[in-house]
This record gives sequence, C-alpha cells and structure tokens, in this order.
Amino acid sequence: GAVVSQHPSWVICKSGTSVKIECRSLDFQATTMFWYRQFPKQSLMLMATSNEGSKATYEQGVEKDKFLINHASLTLSTLTVTSAHPEDSSFYICSALIAGRPRGEQYFGPGTRLTVT
Amino acid sequence: KQEVTQIPAALSVPEGENLVLNCSFTDSAIYNLQWFRQDPGKGLTSLLLIQSSQREQTSGRLNASLDKSSGRSTLYIAASQPGDSATYLCAVRGTQGGSEKLVFGKGTKLTVNP
Repeated sequence: GAVVSQHPSWVICKSGTSVKIECRSLDFQATTMFWYRQFPKQSLMLMATSNEGSKATYEQGVEKDKFLINHASLTLSTLTVTSAHPEDSSFYICSALIAGRPRGEQYFGPGTRLTVT
Repeated sequence: KQEVTQIPAALSVPEGENLVLNCSFTDSAIYNLQWFRQDPGKGLTSLLLIQSSQREQTSGRLNASLDKSSGRSTLYIAASQPGDSATYLCAVRGTQGGSEKLVFGKGTKLTVNP
C-alpha cells in the first residue's frame, strides 16, 4: 500500500486565500520530507527540504514566506500556500525519506492539484 | 551542477515488445539512482533503486542497469503491456552541500498500444 499520503488530493480556492496541504508517512517515521511542484508536461521542481523539528531549507527562488512548511512530527509535514494567486496553480507533491527503508530511497505522495481562481 | 537527460522524450510501441529507456547524468559522483513511473495526474511510484556500488537491479519485467563511470543508466522493460503506459522518470541523488537531493530528468512518455 501507499507509504506516503497527501490531503487533499485536489483543491480549488479563490485568489488571496491560503491553502494547507498535508503530507503523512503511513506507519513509518520520515527523517526528511521534500516538497515539489510540477507544471504540466514538466518534471518535478524541488521547493524545499525539511527535517522534523527544524526549519525547512528552501531552494533558490522559492519564497519561504509564501510557501510555509511545517514538519512538526516524524509522520506529518504541511505546506501552506499563503495569499494564493492563479500562478500558484500547480501540482504539489510531497516525498519522504523513511527511516528503516533502503537508505536514499525516496517515496512520493499521490500529489495535490491546486487551482487558484 | 548535475544534469539528467532522458532519451527518448516519448516512445510508442506495440504490446509485447521489449524496450529500453535511457538516462544519462553529467556528474558521476552519485549516491544512487532511482527509476520512477508517473501516471497522468498522479504522484510517483518508485520502480527500482540502484546504489552507486551496484550495476543492476531487477523487479519482475523491469531491469535497470547503472554504469556510473560513463554516467548512464537504462531501464529495460520486457514484454510490454498497455498497463505499462506512463511517464518514466530517472533521478540521481548526489551529495550537495550535505543535503540529499534528487535531480530528475524530464522523463520518457511511454505508450504501449494493444
């Protein structure tokens, strides 16, 4: 079964509102979680890396005040898109390195489709 | 800076054919290489993971090889089926500033025709 889950699977929001996306590792502890976004017909773009209990490390060009990442526990990370705009519409995918699994093997969630109107 | 290239970008084959997907990377100093499949509108499913010390991994009809010195990996799919239709992504993990990041290719979109 799926090792990493995401909720919601899709969301539509109005411009200017905030949206929170949850990412959970199921029955495993995630030492590190990653957040990606993917535009149509493009590959994945890493947004940030987070370790439990510490601040996320953002990739160059990613606004940390706009994309708030919280990794409060070893099984949960959240991405909040603040004051969303239509250009934030994208497919957001979380991923995790799971403790106890082959080192360096990364597991991905099913993704969240965000549409900002 | 690591760059990953996948060729071809798209491939269409008849059912039952054996096929090879190619992946190349510019920096041979990798920790491991991972092949994924992505169905439309879905997340990524890990297919095979090859550590840098390994040469190949097999799972069912899939076989992935790694030639680190030449910066190449191939994914071999035997007896292809329509259900294999998806985008296949290759990704390498290096050691960049102490963090472990995957660098992805743009993928090969595979269509297996019944």
